[in-house]
Amino acid sequence: QKEVEQNSGPLSVPEGAIASLNCTYSDRVSQSFFWYRQYSGKSPELIMSIYSNGDKEDGRFTAQLNKASQYVSLLIRDSQPSDSATYLCAVKNTGNQFYFGTGTSLTVIP
Amino acid sequence: EAGVTQFPSHSVIEKGQTVTLRCDPISGHDNLYWYRRVMGKEIKFLLHFVKESKQDESGMPNNRFLAERTGGTYSTLKVQPAELEDSGVYFCASRTSGSKETQYFGPGTRLLVL
Repeated sequence: QKEVEQNSGPLSVPEGAIASLNCTYSDRVSQSFFWYRQYSGKSPELIMSIYSNGDKEDGRFTAQLNKASQYVSLLIRDSQPSDSATYLCAVKNTGNQFYFGTGTSLTVIP
Repeated sequence: EAGVTQFPSHSVIEKGQTVTLRCDPISGHDNLYWYRRVMGKEIKFLLHFVKESKQDESGMPNNRFLAERTGGTYSTLKVQPAELEDSGVYFCASRTSGSKETQYFGPGTRLLVL
């Protein structure tokens, strides 16, 4: 079983819609969760971190964490073509290791 | 503030050769990580330095890989001898110590072993 699982997509949404990205993790005691955005050929860029159950909002982005279900999600409201990228879910375990999912490819159609 | 830099950006070598990758973290970042992404797979942890000490090297594939961080500043990752399966993108990331856990990634080194 992989440490972090993501649907690889591709996920396509029309401009202005809400994009929903999902991630599950296997280590129940993980405490820190991250969403990175990676444009093709570029390095991953952190867009959200979340540590507590519930929602965390930052502009058009909302991260949701449910530790009981071992589930993390990222919602992107009012999606823009510039949001088209691969979104990586990452989880930090108690041993300070970061585990990444394979990423979900998002395309926002103008 | 300068970001994480990596050198070279690309490297093409033949099987059996040696390659050394370099990472310069953000100034003042004690924590430095090396990761590798093989095509189609997830980014995988290789090792973690805190200053000049190896905190965790459990992700290193085998003894053909050697990482160093002399002086606790830049780090090198040497692959000797390189094998075909070593091809991939090698990322370096750094972060400060303390409660902030944000990692800043470098642009990566794309390694192709022929």
